[in-house]
Amino acid sequence: NAGVTQTPKFRVLKTGQSMTLLCAQDMNHEYMYWYRQDPGMGLRLIHYSVGEGTTAKGEVPDGYNVSRLKKQNFLLGLESAAPSQTSVYFCASSYLTGSYEQYFGPGTRLTVT
Amino acid sequence: AQKITQTQPGMFVQEKEAVTLDCTYDTSDQSYGLFWYKQPSSGEMIFLIYQGSYDEQNATEGRYSLNFQKARKSANLVISASQLGDSAMYFCAMREGRSSGAGSYQLTFGKGTKLSVIP
Repeated sequence: NAGVTQTPKFRVLKTGQSMTLLCAQDMNHEYMYWYRQDPGMGLRLIHYSVGEGTTAKGEVPDGYNVSRLKKQNFLLGLESAAPSQTSVYFCASSYLTGSYEQYFGPGTRLTVT
Repeated sequence: AQKITQTQPGMFVQEKEAVTLDCTYDTSDQSYGLFWYKQPSSGEMIFLIYQGSYDEQNATEGRYSLNFQKARKSANLVISASQLGDSAMYFCAMREGRSSGAGSYQLTFGKGTKLSVIP
């Protein structure tokens, strides 16, 4: 099992450019999440999904969109990147039951210049 | 008000000694869960230990134990016999119950504690 994978690992964008981050999980998890991590801060939730075809806003959703067309994939889009979106982005997934422990991907380091 | 507070930005511990990393939380839910994650310099988030709000016994996983004091709303992580490989950022996180009705089970993270193990 690969667990949770993220593509790409690193990316540099210019202000105003767009991009999509891909998250894939092979654990058949229902729930998936996108977080961002900034220096001196913990992880903050951007958007999440409780199942295929459903998404919802988290704590810091502005400037981002998401889609979950397939259960195993969760895409995070930046339509017009801003320097404030320079961050490390983590995807996670979890089961519906038990502790709801979240399994994290390795992260994507995004720099917007 | 912060939901998760980690008051120690940085900690030092001698190798082979035990160390306690503090975490206090704030919630009005009766059902919730508390997690600790480790983030080494390589950047990945590694799950360490989990405590449910209804669990009567403190959780343990190898050298990690969670000192859960429900009335004080604290969930401190204890690492016994520290090793050099324990040097990392440690994050406390909370999953609240279905108070929002959405059942998102999202995690709220603290700002972390940087642990440095000294040889």
